[in-house]
Amino acid sequence: DAGVTQSPTHLIKTRGQHVTLRCSPISGHKSVSWYQQVLGQGPQFIFQYYEKEERGRGNFPDRFSARQFPNYSSELNVNALLLGDSALYLCASSLAGGRTEAFFGQGTRLTVV
Amino acid sequence: AQTVTQSQPEMSVQEAETVTLSCTYDTSESDYYLFWYKQPPSRQMILVIRQEAYKQQNATENRFSVNFQKAAKSFSLKISDSQLGDAAMYFCAYRMTNDYKLSFGAGTTVTVRA
Repeated sequence: DAGVTQSPTHLIKTRGQHVTLRCSPISGHKSVSWYQQVLGQGPQFIFQYYEKEERGRGNFPDRFSARQFPNYSSELNVNALLLGDSALYLCASSLAGGRTEAFFGQGTRLTVV
Repeated sequence: AQTVTQSQPEMSVQEAETVTLSCTYDTSESDYYLFWYKQPPSRQMILVIRQEAYKQQNATENRFSVNFQKAAKSFSLKISDSQLGDAAMYFCAYRMTNDYKLSFGAGTTVTVRA
């Protein structure tokens, strides 16, 4: 069975641009969470979606948004990119809304120049 | 808010020896989960071991074991018989039982010397 898949694996954007990151959860998993991991730090929670509804949001500006589709895949969107948005973005999926184990993808490395 | 602290940025261990990673956390909750995740250079976060706060018995997974001290809010990871493949960044994480959000520490880089 395929694990959590994220695309793209790497990308480079210019300040002020917009970016969309994608995540496909493990088959049967209905919950997707997004984390931002700045180099040398632990991941920080951004969003959690369950059954296509936002169930939690971390301390991130409104430039960050996400959604979950009927097939439970998810997109993370970041507008008006800043240099400080450069990070590894991790997606995690789980069976339920957070009461079971979270399985992580390999992440998307975003570099803003 | 819950905070997770890992005070050791780096640890080095000789192959086949034992290393212990420290983690402390702050919470007012009585029911929660604690985790240790491993992140190798491939970047994928891999669950190593988990502990439910209501369980007094320390969790063990093969060469990995924890020392969970609930009153002290301490959760250390012991890696026994260290192998070259254990080299990675290790993160301690906390989650309330009925919650979805994982709170991570800053991580400890483990180097294994051959």
